[in-house]
Amino acid sequence: GAVVSQHPSRVICKSGTSVKIECRSLDFQATTMFWYRQFPKQSLMLMATSNEGSKATYEQGVEKDKFLINHASLTLSTLTVTSAHPEDSSFYICSAALRLGGGTDTQYFGPGTRLTVL
Amino acid sequence: AQKVTQAQTEISVVEKEDVTLDCVYETRDTTYYLFWYKQPPSGELVFLIRRNSFDEQNEISGRYSWNFQKSTSSFNFTITASQVVDSAVYFCALSPRRGWETSGSRLTFGEGTQLTVNP
Repeated sequence: GAVVSQHPSRVICKSGTSVKIECRSLDFQATTMFWYRQFPKQSLMLMATSNEGSKATYEQGVEKDKFLINHASLTLSTLTVTSAHPEDSSFYICSAALRLGGGTDTQYFGPGTRLTVL
Repeated sequence: AQKVTQAQTEISVVEKEDVTLDCVYETRDTTYYLFWYKQPPSGELVFLIRRNSFDEQNEISGRYSWNFQKSTSSFNFTITASQVVDSAVYFCALSPRRGWETSGSRLTFGEGTQLTVNP
């Protein structure tokens, strides 16, 4: 159980184009999903918190207009990198929060999307 | 503010050795949760364990064991009889307790420890 999928797993695009990444919780409903960015040999950096039916909460320094997040249902969140540039090349990872007993969530992660902008 | 420190950047062991990955955390919350995740070369983070701050009992799952010591703010992870498949980056993480009405709990990650198990 608690499987999260992410699509695509790898994408190469030209500078200036937009790329959409999908994150789905396959066997549970996730009120909250998170989007992270990870640079090589570094830890995960939280970009935004996405709640179903409401606007995403972005971390300081993350451009809202550049990284558009939509959480249309309890099982799907999308991240769109608009007008991508080479510096946006990175590994993007989503997670879906499974609410269990005890007043906290456990985040289950998708397999990640490797974005390369030429 | 919350902080997680994994002082060991890289560890290299030979297969069948035991290895302990250290995790030290800082938080002002009285109730919190600690996690360990494994990130193999494929990139996907795999959930290993979640521990409530009220529960200081050590936990064992197969070759994995966790030692939670609130007095030293540590949550160390030991792999017994390591195997090549254990090679991965391991992340320790911390989250506060949230009420049911609030949004999902944020995780504060450590920098990770790269474990390499050589045959």
